[in-house]
Amino acid sequence: DIQLTQSPSFLSASVRDRVTITCRASQGISNFLAWYQQEPGKAPRLLVYRASTLQSGVPSRFSGSGSGTEFTLTISRLQPEDSATYYCQQLNSYPLTFGGGTKVEIK
Amino acid sequence: EVQLVESGGDLVLRGGSLRLSCGASGFSFSNYWMSWVRRAPGKGLEWVANIKQDGGENYFGDSVKGRFTISRDNAKNSLYLEMNNLRVEDTAIYYCVRVAYGDLFFDRWGQGTLVTISS
Repeated sequence: DIQLTQSPSFLSASVRDRVTITCRASQGISNFLAWYQQEPGKAPRLLVYRASTLQSGVPSRFSGSGSGTEFTLTISRLQPEDSATYYCQQLNSYPLTFGGGTKVEIK
Repeated sequence: EVQLVESGGDLVLRGGSLRLSCGASGFSFSNYWMSWVRRAPGKGLEWVANIKQDGGENYFGDSVKGRFTISRDNAKNSLYLEMNNLRVEDTAIYYCVRVAYGDLFFDRWGQGTLVTISS
């Protein structure tokens, strides 16, 4: 099974800060990675797929990059509504797996 | 508008069974793989199962293999999850999810239904 390790597990940042979340895969997965946002009490929402393609309707301050085993999700200018938990997911092979999540808090 | 509405969540005793349902609308249901994903209290997301468009192929996560069954009725635009021999660790919100066409990421999510297993 492919393990995904996210870091950090928690971060606290101020509005307009640049924030970066890392996801490392236990083996190479090319660009077969997606990122999701889950706000408290809500369903997850797709942000990025195939490592760097922004889902329609997602604000352009979100971006994804990486390939192989190391990936990043960047929020260029953090907004109050970005307070949420973020997950990466590998779509390379079954069983599909998620990272452990990164909780983003707004200071 | 794509809508996925889960139902069937309940409080069940350990070892019991439960069937979740998901009604889909706003898209051509029979053209998409579908999935169930769960989130246990205080934990992260966990993929549970996928099913092919015609129901002829499916995959399960290791923790539910042999206990859960996924099925669909394309005539009713519905997805199901039959859960047997339930464990306390199956307690979670279960989400009905659409798999992106031709890929393996999840592009539409329902609001979820809560399953609680008591000992």
